[in-house]
Amino acid sequence: QVQLVQSGAEVKKPGSSVKVSCKASGGTFSSYAISWVRQAPGQGLEWMGGIIPIFGTANYAQKFQGRVTITADESTSTAYMELSSLRSEDTAVYYCAREVIVAAAGPTYLDYWGQGTLVTVSS
Amino acid sequence: DIQMTQSPSSLSASVGDRVTITCRASQSISSYLNWYQQKPGKAPKLLIYAASSLQSGVPSRFSGSGSGTDFTLTISSLQPEDFATYYCQQSYSTPPTTFGPGTKVDIK
Repeated sequence: QVQLVQSGAEVKKPGSSVKVSCKASGGTFSSYAISWVRQAPGQGLEWMGGIIPIFGTANYAQKFQGRVTITADESTSTAYMELSSLRSEDTAVYYCAREVIVAAAGPTYLDYWGQGTLVTVSS
Repeated sequence: DIQMTQSPSSLSASVGDRVTITCRASQSISSYLNWYQQKPGKAPKLLIYAASSLQSGVPSRFSGSGSGTDFTLTISSLQPEDFATYYCQQSYSTPPTTFGPGTKVDIK
């Protein structure tokens, strides 16, 4: 059974950075992409970026370019999302999710999700 | 980026009702459309992928249809555990993948 377990809640000051981890078990970590999706309080889902661990290169949503860094450590089956220059609008639950790629240039979907990490940005 | 819209934004229904939620893409996305269910305080759960394929373990009362720009999620007979918010997501033009704003289904 695939499980994604995320690190615990964080409280950060504006201008600081946060790094959230996502440890995978029960599957072949390197063969799938890991996406990061956030959800502000009472709002919808917003994709931030993703990485395919076996390739090591990440893609990011334009909105977060320059502020987010997604990495993966194949040796520990763990993905990380670091967001810098935090502001109050970054207060949200951050999810990692496993992305299944059906075929090259084909459909993809997010089949397993972490439990979410609440990041609160407050002075 | 491809914009996704959903209608209605919320609906009230009774147990046993047939419920249909619509998702529309700002341009054709073939069948690259997924549906998720989210309950309060929980992570989203995949229901349908590639417009009409039922994810393993998801009850058969859930079904999806559509292609191009217009898609529907149907719950054939609403159960108490189905009261939740439902999101569509396109994976045709990525990055970025984009989600619809959600449809909240609550008890009538």
